[in-house]
Amino acid sequence: GEDVEQSLFLSVREGDSSVINCTYTDSSSTYLYWYKQEPGAGLQLLTYIFSNMDMKQDQRLTVLLNKKDKHLSLRIADTQTGDSAIYFCAESAHRDDKIIFGKGTRLHILP
Amino acid sequence: DAGITQSPRHKVTETGTPVTLRCHQTENHRYMYWYRQDPGHGLRLIHYSYGVKDTDKGEVSDGYSVSRSKTEDFLLTLESATSSQTSVYFCAISDIRYNEQFFGPGTRLTVL
Repeated sequence: GEDVEQSLFLSVREGDSSVINCTYTDSSSTYLYWYKQEPGAGLQLLTYIFSNMDMKQDQRLTVLLNKKDKHLSLRIADTQTGDSAIYFCAESAHRDDKIIFGKGTRLHILP
Repeated sequence: DAGITQSPRHKVTETGTPVTLRCHQTENHRYMYWYRQDPGHGLRLIHYSYGVKDTDKGEVSDGYSVSRSKTEDFLLTLESATSSQTSVYFCAISDIRYNEQFFGPGTRLTVL
């Protein structure tokens, strides 16, 4: 079945770039999402990318998609303490298909 | 932020008791979802609704029921709570099925 894998933890020094990686198994995935969850809060949609794109940039966020390798990454430039959160990768095959979430990557910011 | 509230935010109950969690939205979105979040499992879909009185099961629906009598409210009921249902429950909404979901703040449920 469909699966989304991501590493559980990442530590980054403040001011450096963070790169959170994700792999998925469903080759028909069309929509790929990144959600952010801050402590004690629900998930917040950060950005998403269509499978016909290989890059999307939004301010400090850059999403890269390697469809051949089924690999998605989220780069956060100039990481700040407010970026400390759990980041979820997710995918769906179609616009109205169920979303499969990864287990989340906890980003820890070092001073 | 999308207008989604969940109540209660925290609940402690005993095994075998019924529990109802409420999700309320002010966005008039058609689709509403209940997820549970557990360490090591990420988010898993329990049930979802695609309109008033229209609901369907997700991947972990056993032991849960839902109801939606109004567009703005989606209720999740545990008929007889078990310790395995200790979790954080999130409600989400979207105006397109499954797409671009907005999440509520969550309810932390502990079943003793």
